[in-house]
Amino acid sequence: KAGVTQTPRYLIKTRGQQVTLSCSPISGHRSVSWYQQTPGQGLQFLFEYFSETQRNKGNFPGRFSGRQFSNSRSEMNVSTLELGDSALYLCASNEGVGTDTQYFGPGTRLTVL
Amino acid sequence: AQRVTQPEKLLSVFKGAPVELKCNYSYSGSPELFWYVQYSRQRLQLLLRHISRESIKGFTADLNKGETSFHLKKPFAQEEDSAMYYCALKAGGSYIPTFGRGTSLIVHP
Repeated sequence: KAGVTQTPRYLIKTRGQQVTLSCSPISGHRSVSWYQQTPGQGLQFLFEYFSETQRNKGNFPGRFSGRQFSNSRSEMNVSTLELGDSALYLCASNEGVGTDTQYFGPGTRLTVL
Repeated sequence: AQRVTQPEKLLSVFKGAPVELKCNYSYSGSPELFWYVQYSRQRLQLLLRHISRESIKGFTADLNKGETSFHLKKPFAQEEDSAMYYCALKAGGSYIPTFGRGTSLIVHP
């Protein structure tokens, strides 16, 4: 099976702009999670979608939002970008039930200038 | 709420030396514990989970419920072990693991 893919791989934006990141999970996986990875904070959970519904949410402001489509692909959106949003955004997928391992994508590197 | 603490941001050892990456957790129930690894320019991937009781790439980790720890150990470090290591906990009934902040392991030749 193909792994988790994320697009784009790199993005440069300026403060105040908005951005949309995309994630395609492994075929058959219904759960998609998003994480923000920074050197100082490590991996911080943003939210998880399962069968098009947000099932879990981390402690991030409302500027961060997401959605999941019927084919399990997911997008996350960040509005009104701030310098502190610069990070590697990781997407992970799993089957969504039981004790499944999470499979991570390569990430999207977002730089906010 | 659960918490995972990795007290060392950086661990530097020489090839052949023993390695122990520390992980402590706080959770009142029965957790599932994992170690994930991220090699340079590669994606984050599962290294091992405590329920499997397996050794992967020479690494082992034992869940110590009394000390609420899940330290990752390897008797003889190799240069290719240099990577970022994350400890993670999944609480009962939760679908999402909580990650520690990670420890960067550098193995010098």
